[in-house]
Amino acid sequence: EPEVTQTPSHQVTQMGQEVILRCVPISNHLYFYWYRQILGQKVEFLVSFYNNEISEKSEIFDDQFSVERPDGSNFTLKIRSTKLEDSAMYFCASNWRGQGNTGELFFGEGSRLTVL
Amino acid sequence: AQSVTQLGSHVSVSEGALVLLRCNYSSSVPPYLFWYVQYPNQGLQLLLKYTSAATLVKGINGFEAEFKKSETSFHLTKPSAHMSDAAEYFCAVSDKNTDKLIFGTGTRLQVFP
Repeated sequence: EPEVTQTPSHQVTQMGQEVILRCVPISNHLYFYWYRQILGQKVEFLVSFYNNEISEKSEIFDDQFSVERPDGSNFTLKIRSTKLEDSAMYFCASNWRGQGNTGELFFGEGSRLTVL
Repeated sequence: AQSVTQLGSHVSVSEGALVLLRCNYSSSVPPYLFWYVQYPNQGLQLLLKYTSAATLVKGINGFEAEFKKSETSFHLTKPSAHMSDAAEYFCAVSDKNTDKLIFGTGTRLQVFP
């Protein structure tokens, strides 16, 4: 069964460093998302992406964050200068929104980011 | 704006007892509703979804949920809890006009022997 894959599963970084989290969405999906979950808290929407541009972003997604689809398969989230409060689990998701779409997002297993 | 409210951040039941996790939604258009489960240190797994077909939705692991428009609710139930059901459960809402899910704050289910 097709699935969303994320790398790395866990990354530890120093405050101020740049981090890139990578995702390979399901191959025929066209809509891509990043969500964040701080330990013990709710899952929060960060950004959605379609047709090589951001379609919506939350207040959390400030200038330190960027997303990119550098090729036909990867979807990346970059944090330019990490802060302690960026420590969280980051989930990538995808959706095709074609005929028969039910609004379901398919999530990856997550990338845990620890900022020291 | 859409939102979901999950009443009870923690629910504890005995093994074999009824599980009831509450979710109320707010949406200006007909919603899609979802329940996801998250086991410790794992990702989000879809339990079930409501997409405007049958109001009683059956999911995996014996869970089901009923969409009640008059109560704006989508509560999750399971007749008999199992130890393996211990996890965090998230209710989420979206609709045809948006391309994102909005999650509730989650309910941690504990199951005691």
